Amino acid sequence: AQSVSQHNHHVILSEAASLELGCNYSYGGTVNLFWYVQYPGQHLQLLLKYFSGDPLVKGIKGFEAEFIKSKFSFNLRKPSVQWSDTAEYFCAVKSRNSGNTPLVFGKGTRLSVIA
Amino acid sequence: GAGVSQSPRYKVAKRGQDVALRCDPISGHVSLFWYQQALGQGPEFLTYFQNEAQLDKSGLPSDRFFAERPEGSVSTLKIQRTQQEDSAVYLCASSPRTSGRASTDTQYFGPGTRLTVL
Repeated sequence: AQSVSQHNHHVILSEAASLELGCNYSYGGTVNLFWYVQYPGQHLQLLLKYFSGDPLVKGIKGFEAEFIKSKFSFNLRKPSVQWSDTAEYFCAVKSRNSGNTPLVFGKGTRLSVIA
Repeated sequence: GAGVSQSPRYKVAKRGQDVALRCDPISGHVSLFWYQQALGQGPEFLTYFQNEAQLDKSGLPSDRFFAERPEGSVSTLKIQRTQQEDSAVYLCASSPRTSGRASTDTQYFGPGTRLTVL
């Protein structure tokens, strides 16, 4: 069975600090990888996704993530966080097959950005 | 355009009551998923529809949970005889396609229904 591990439950950063949120997955086959964000009071929104090709993917709002197949990792990064990045971040994986399959989510990492 | 909508946004039920949660997917989206998100956890898969067909219900926690999508658009998740452990946010997501490159489809999420069982 697939599983996703997010290493940090709660991260607190000052504005302009750099961010890296860890994500490791467990699955033997080919996967698609996602990062979703949930701002306070809002619904889950897609930040970025990896399907194939360049393992470094860029998403919205200056976020990027790097797929390292040998490490089963898909860490999220941002060079300089803003107060508005305060949110819950979820890493998710789905197996890549011919049909549609559900997402398997990590438990999430809460990011608090302070002035 | 309009996104995924869910209603009600909040529901309080007494233990033992039945509840029905509604999801309106993005128009034309073939695939529809239900997830359950307990406090402090990530969403967990409940069930999946392709049009009106329920193709996967392996995530439903018990036979008290039932979902339908009779006309291939709106879906309803019903929970019978609610228990306190059913308290969670119930999320609905839809995506456009069903086969071929469907595995690359993005799932678009609704705002969720927060169910509290007293």
